[in-house]
Amino acid sequence: SQQGEEDPQALSIQEGENATMNCSYKTSINNLQWYRQNSGRGLVHLILIRSNEREKHSGRLRVTLDTSKKSSSLLITASRAADTASYFCATDARSEKLVFGKGTKLTVNP
Amino acid sequence: NAGVMQNPRHLVRRRGQEARLRCSPMKGHSHVYWYRQLPEEGLKFMVYLQKENIIDESGMPKERFSAEFPKEGPSILRIQQVVRGDSAAYFCASSPKTYNGYTFGSGTRLTVV
Repeated sequence: SQQGEEDPQALSIQEGENATMNCSYKTSINNLQWYRQNSGRGLVHLILIRSNEREKHSGRLRVTLDTSKKSSSLLITASRAADTASYFCATDARSEKLVFGKGTKLTVNP
Repeated sequence: NAGVMQNPRHLVRRRGQEARLRCSPMKGHSHVYWYRQLPEEGLKFMVYLQKENIIDESGMPKERFSAEFPKEGPSILRIQQVVRGDSAAYFCASSPKTYNGYTFGSGTRLTVV
C-alpha cells in the first residue's frame, strides 16, 4: 500500500494565493521529501525534512512535519502560474528507497 | 555538472522486443535508483544499485527485468520481451554517498505498441 498519500488530489487557485498540500504516511520514517513534477518531465527535489525536524523553509516553500500524526504539509506562498505542476511527497523508512504518493495536481490560474 | 542523464528520452518498442534504458548519474554520485511511473500515478521504486552491486531489487518484476551499474559506464535497465503493460515513464535518480535527497533524470518514456 502507498506509504505517502497526498491530499487534495487536485487544487486550483489564483495567482498570488497560497497553496497548501498535505501528505499522510503509515510507518516510521527517517525523512520526508517533497518533489515537483511538471507535466511530462522529471522530478525536481524541493525540500527534505528529517524526522527530528518540525518545520523547514526554502524561499516561498514551507514544510511542516508532525511525526505524531504521521503527516506533513507543503505550503507555497504567493503562488505563480509557473508553480503549476504535480507535487509528490516521498518517505523513506529504513532504507534509501523512497515511497511516493500519487501526488497533488496544482493549477495556478493567472 | 550535467545532472542525471537518461537516454533515450522516448523509446517505442513492439511487443516482444527488448528495451534498454540508460542512466548516467551525476558526477560524484555512486548510488543509482530506478523508478517507474504509470500515467496519473506516483513513482514506484524498482531497484537501487551501487557500482557493480545490486543493493535492493525488491521493486523489480521477477521476470524480464534486469538492471546493472557497471564499474565503467552508465546504469542500464533492461526489459526483455516487452508487453503493453511495460509502457510507462522510467526515471533514474542518483545520490552521493551522504544522502540528502535524490537528483532525478528527465526520464525515458517507453511505449510498447
